[in-house]
Amino acid sequence: DIQMTQSPSSLSASVGDRVTITCRASQSIRSYINWYQQKPGKAPKLLIYAASSLQSGVPSRFSGSGSGTDFTLTISSLQPEDFASYYCQQSYSTPTFGQGTKVEIK
Amino acid sequence: EVQLVESGGGLVQPGGSLRLYCAASGFTFSSYEMNWVRQAPGKGLEWVSYISESDSTRNYADSVKGRFTISRDNTKNSLYLQMNSLRAEDTAVYYCARGAGGVWYTFDYWGQGTLVTVPS
Repeated sequence: DIQMTQSPSSLSASVGDRVTITCRASQSIRSYINWYQQKPGKAPKLLIYAASSLQSGVPSRFSGSGSGTDFTLTISSLQPEDFASYYCQQSYSTPTFGQGTKVEIK
Repeated sequence: EVQLVESGGGLVQPGGSLRLYCAASGFTFSSYEMNWVRQAPGKGLEWVSYISESDSTRNYADSVKGRFTISRDNTKNSLYLQMNSLRAEDTAVYYCARGAGGVWYTFDYWGQGTLVTVPS
């Protein structure tokens, strides 16, 4: 299985901050990576698919980049509703997820 | 509006069985791949199983292969997960998730989840 390693596992940030979460794959997955947001007690929500495509209805402050093994999810200006956990997921082969990044209020 | 509603979770003893259900509405169910994804308490997400639109293909995570069976009934807009030989490590919230059309293994809508508890 392809391993997905996210960093950091948690971070503290303030409203308005630029936040970057990274995900590294154990082998090349080309651009087959998705990003999800999950709030406590809720189901995950798809934010970005195919590395950089914004899912319909997702605010444009979310963006994704990268290819091969190294990928980034960026929130350009953190909003109160963005405090949540974020997961990357590779769709190159049998799906695997990163361990998650919890974004907390500073 | 796309809706996925899971049911069938509960407390089951090790070695027991449980059948999960996912009722779909708001889209043409027979045109979409479907998946089950689980999340152990306080842990990350783990993909469990996949079924193609016409049930021609089924895939499983190694951790459940031979114990779990995914199925669907397109006449009833329903997805199922038959879970046998349950273990403590199967304890999790189980989500059904729709496959985004044309994007392999990408989950664009999720249900609210149903909790399965297998005591150790």
